[in-house]
Amino acid sequence: EVLLQQSGAELLKPRASVKLSCTASDFNIKDTYIHWVRQRPAQGLEWIGRIDPANDNTEYDPNFQGKATITSDTSSNTAYLQLNSLTSEDTAVYYCARSGTVGYFDYWGQGTTLTVSS
Amino acid sequence: DIVLTQSPASLGVSLGQRATISCRASKSVSTSGYSYMHWYQQKPGQPPKLLIYLASNLESGVPARFSGSGSGTDFTLNIHPVEEEDAATYYCQHSRELPPLTFGAGTKLELK
Repeated sequence: EVLLQQSGAELLKPRASVKLSCTASDFNIKDTYIHWVRQRPAQGLEWIGRIDPANDNTEYDPNFQGKATITSDTSSNTAYLQLNSLTSEDTAVYYCARSGTVGYFDYWGQGTTLTVSS
Repeated sequence: DIVLTQSPASLGVSLGQRATISCRASKSVSTSGYSYMHWYQQKPGQPPKLLIYLASNLESGVPARFSGSGSGTDFTLNIHPVEEEDAATYYCQHSRELPPLTFGAGTKLELK
């Protein structure tokens, strides 16, 4: 069964950094793109960016440049999202999702809740 | 950036009736015979679920009461007949060009 298993909830203080993980089962991430999507409380979906694990090429929404870094480790079939200089505005659920070349997300992780609070 | 405008923001529909949700793109998302518009359903506390891809293709396992149509800049998601389990928020998403990929703001479907 195709699964994207995300790391657990995080509670962090402002100015901290965090690295979220997304581990794939039953498929090879090198055969897909892995995307990250943010959903703030009671808000809509925002695309952060994507990685092509086959060559580590990344693309980001300009609004997340400098805030987010997406990486992958094909040996563990895992993608990562690092967020730096956290503020309360980063409080959200973060989802990973996979796509093919067409660009729709057919499988999603369960989401990781990030809370930033002093 | 391609901006997606969904309407209405919320919608109340009776069981067995039709729900129609629109998504308008700020520029065409169609090219080479394909329309790069997709639809998702999200229930509280859950990740989004793919319903329709490439404007009108039903994802495997999704009930046939869901259908999508449109091309260019105007797209529609229809649900008929609406069932109780369809109460959720629905999002459109384009993949015509990136960055960025973008989503519509969402339409909350409530059952009357």
